[in-house]
Amino acid sequence: SQELEQSPQSLIVQEGKNLTINCTSSKTLYGLYWYKQKYGEGLIFLMMLQKGGEEKSHEKITAKLDEKKQQSSLHITASQPSHAGIYLCGADSLAGAGSYQLTFGKGTKLSVIP
Amino acid sequence: DTAVSQTPKYLVTQMGNDKSIKCEQNLGHDTMYWYKQDSKKFLKIMFSYNNKELIINETVPNRFSPKSPDKAHLNLHINSLELGDSAVYFCASSQAGVGETQYFGPGTRLLVL
Repeated sequence: SQELEQSPQSLIVQEGKNLTINCTSSKTLYGLYWYKQKYGEGLIFLMMLQKGGEEKSHEKITAKLDEKKQQSSLHITASQPSHAGIYLCGADSLAGAGSYQLTFGKGTKLSVIP
Repeated sequence: DTAVSQTPKYLVTQMGNDKSIKCEQNLGHDTMYWYKQDSKKFLKIMFSYNNKELIINETVPNRFSPKSPDKAHLNLHINSLELGDSAVYFCASSQAGVGETQYFGPGTRLLVL
């Protein structure tokens, strides 16, 4: 089964600083999703990447997909306290009979200090 | 070893039927959750149990009822299934409350015909 490894596991940054979170897959990526979990709430879909080299942005958050490396990175520019939370990457993988299974990484806990 | 497991992985059923999805975690976590993933990939929390006690109960139809026989299990029963119930349902667990990292199961794809 596919495994997703996220790094770092936790991150504390000063407000205004940039940061990067990585997600590496043990298998070929067919689709890579980034979610944010706010404390006390469910998961919020941020973006989905499907093609190698694809890059998408959502406000100050940018994600890239490196298909060859089976890796995606999430970059936050000029972080704000509102960016604090747990970031999860999720990936589709073939589960047999042409179906897909969505697997999640263990998450990166981001704290932003004002 | 599978940390969070769900059964079945796929469920195809007719409208009006009653079905259950089971979830088990072997991580020793105290809190378990059920999420529904809609077509836009948004994971919406449905229920959360801490040590067999319901702590989050979002606005979902009362046809959905969670049952936690022990803290390692949280099952989801759905009565009188409707077309709109078709989705992927994810179970998750965490050591403590919702602020902790959650570990997700593989999901159960439910299709109501």
